[in-house]
Amino acid sequence: GAVVSQHPSWVICKSGTSVKIECRSLDFQATTMFWYRQFPKQSLMLMATSNEGSKATYEQGVEKDKFLINHASLTLSTLTVTSAHPEDSSFYICSARDLEGNTDTQYFGPGTRLTVL
Amino acid sequence: GENVEQHPSTLSVQEGDSAVIKCTYSDSASNYFPWYKQELGKRPQLIIDIRSNVGEKKDQRIAVTLNKTAKHFSLHITETQPEDSAVYFCAARSWGTGANNLFFGTGTRLTVIP
Repeated sequence: GAVVSQHPSWVICKSGTSVKIECRSLDFQATTMFWYRQFPKQSLMLMATSNEGSKATYEQGVEKDKFLINHASLTLSTLTVTSAHPEDSSFYICSARDLEGNTDTQYFGPGTRLTVL
Repeated sequence: GENVEQHPSTLSVQEGDSAVIKCTYSDSASNYFPWYKQELGKRPQLIIDIRSNVGEKKDQRIAVTLNKTAKHFSLHITETQPEDSAVYFCAARSWGTGANNLFFGTGTRLTVIP
């Protein structure tokens, strides 16, 4: 299957700082990427849909000014957690939608574990 | 919007036995149903998917069935092995339409006992 990378794989930061997470589709172009948040032993919670060249669509309850999403190219989307607080500590996973070959399959990145002290 | 329910939340089977995980969905417009396997601390991996124009799909020890009338679909794993132990998520989406995102079930933690 297609490959999606995510960087960094883990990050520890101080409360009040900002953290940027990158999501890349390595062997296909992704006009649409998704950002999820996953708490321990829980399902994937969609935070926002990132569309190349346009504003992201946020799910209800997700603060767009806190979780800044930029999808500047067909292979890169970034999520910036601004003014991070301990409650933002979580596992953040991106995914990219592969529409090539008429497959329309969604592939996930390896995730980023964020710990806010 | 779509609502996907998944059962059971935990499942333990003896090695070699079969495991079945069931999901229901609410939106009749959903026509794409993937299954993901997630090992601890790792990314969800697509293991099989089915589209609404078929009722069953099989890939070696894994099979998925879909009943569109009843709005439910199931994952079947035969001859289970310890490496099948993981959390499995079902999902649903309207494929090929303006809707983009997958709606996930709550997950099933499968434990295969050697």
